[in-house]
Amino acid sequence: SQTIHQWPATLVQPVGSPLSLECTVEGTSNPNLYWYRQAAGRGLQLLFYSVGIGQISSEVPQNLSASRPQDRQFILSSKKLLLSDSGFYLCAWSGSNSPLHFGNGTRLTVT
Amino acid sequence: GNSVTQMEGPVTLSEEAFLTINCTYTATGYPSLFWYVQYPGEGLQLLLKATKADDKGSNKGFEATYRKETTSFHLEKGSVQVSDSAVYFCALSDFNAGNMLTFGGGTRLMVKP
Repeated sequence: SQTIHQWPATLVQPVGSPLSLECTVEGTSNPNLYWYRQAAGRGLQLLFYSVGIGQISSEVPQNLSASRPQDRQFILSSKKLLLSDSGFYLCAWSGSNSPLHFGNGTRLTVT
Repeated sequence: GNSVTQMEGPVTLSEEAFLTINCTYTATGYPSLFWYVQYPGEGLQLLLKATKADDKGSNKGFEATYRKETTSFHLEKGSVQVSDSAVYFCALSDFNAGNMLTFGGGTRLMVKP
């Protein structure tokens, strides 16, 4: 069966520090991968998605970037965090015709 | 473009009450429709889905029927439990939009004993 791992679960970082959130998927090949952000009290915002290694599409211009160095690895990064980057970050995967499957999320607090 | 509109929460119910969370959508094609549930501190889990008009998705006592004529996919449960307290997201997936999911804003459900 397929599983998705996302870490860390919680993170507190100062403004201006770098960020790296990692997500890996097991049990499937060539998944579509996604990063979503859920701001407090708000819905889900799609940040990035990837249909293959090295292929990244950005939905919203911002202070973040994503990379896919391996087929089942998706990384969300920032060089310098802003206060507005605080939120709940969710990684997800899907097959060609399957629903999204989400990781457990990372709660990021920028202080 | 595609969009999903959900009733704003929070929805507060007593245990064993009947639940309805409204969801309507706008799509250019023939989307598949989903309900996801997010329990406190966790990611989202697929609750149920329907892929064509008049399909009924069901799971864990929850049901939703794909109504093309009213472009709706309302979530219902006959008798809620405290453990159903969570945030519920309605979403659509449109083949014409590359099967990307479009989410509603989420509805928080609070069930009191």
